Amino acid sequence: GGIITQTPKFLIGQEGQKLTLKCQQNFNHDTMYWYRQDSGKGLRLIYYSITENDLQKGDLSEGYDASREKKSSFSLTVTSAQKNEMAVFLCASSSGTGQDTQYFGPGTRLLVL
Amino acid sequence: GQQVQQSPTSLVLQEGENAELQCNFSTSLNSMQWFYQRPGGSLISVFYNPSGTKQSGRLTSTTVIKERRSSLHISSSQITDSGTYLCAGKGSNYNVLYFGSGTKLTVEP
Repeated sequence: GGIITQTPKFLIGQEGQKLTLKCQQNFNHDTMYWYRQDSGKGLRLIYYSITENDLQKGDLSEGYDASREKKSSFSLTVTSAQKNEMAVFLCASSSGTGQDTQYFGPGTRLLVL
Repeated sequence: GQQVQQSPTSLVLQEGENAELQCNFSTSLNSMQWFYQRPGGSLISVFYNPSGTKQSGRLTSTTVIKERRSSLHISSSQITDSGTYLCAGKGSNYNVLYFGSGTKLTVEP
């Protein structure tokens, strides 16, 4: 088995601030993902990465940057936090084959004042 | 486009009742999956069910590709079944999952 760790668990920011979220996995998975989940809505893909130093944009990439520094870690940066923004950011990983599922971290809860 | 529609949006049951959750997906999607999310918790894969019927304990998933639908049946619901159930499918890019908005299930004593 393995585990996905996300830091921080809670993040309170100010409008306009650049905020960075971190994700670590020890599954030795090739592919990692960042999703955003708003209350009452499903998950929307922000960025994913199929290997170290690779980045692929999802449907919600505008306003975000990402970095895959090494196979086990994937970071997400909110480039300019929006006032009153409130969402949960979920990191996931998968082996990258066609029939695998994704494994999720516990999430980072963001609140922008 | 890639669309996943789930129904109902929310469902309240008495303990012991059965639940039927529905997912309809667009023609561009396949490899349907079901996830469970406890309030404040992360997602856990419940079923990977591209076609046919799969059962695990009190949970049964049925996917009928021709009809573009997948369902999740929970029999004899328990309070611990409460949470949000999300359906998701893959498009031509097998790395990417498209999620529905989820069904929030509340099981009361």
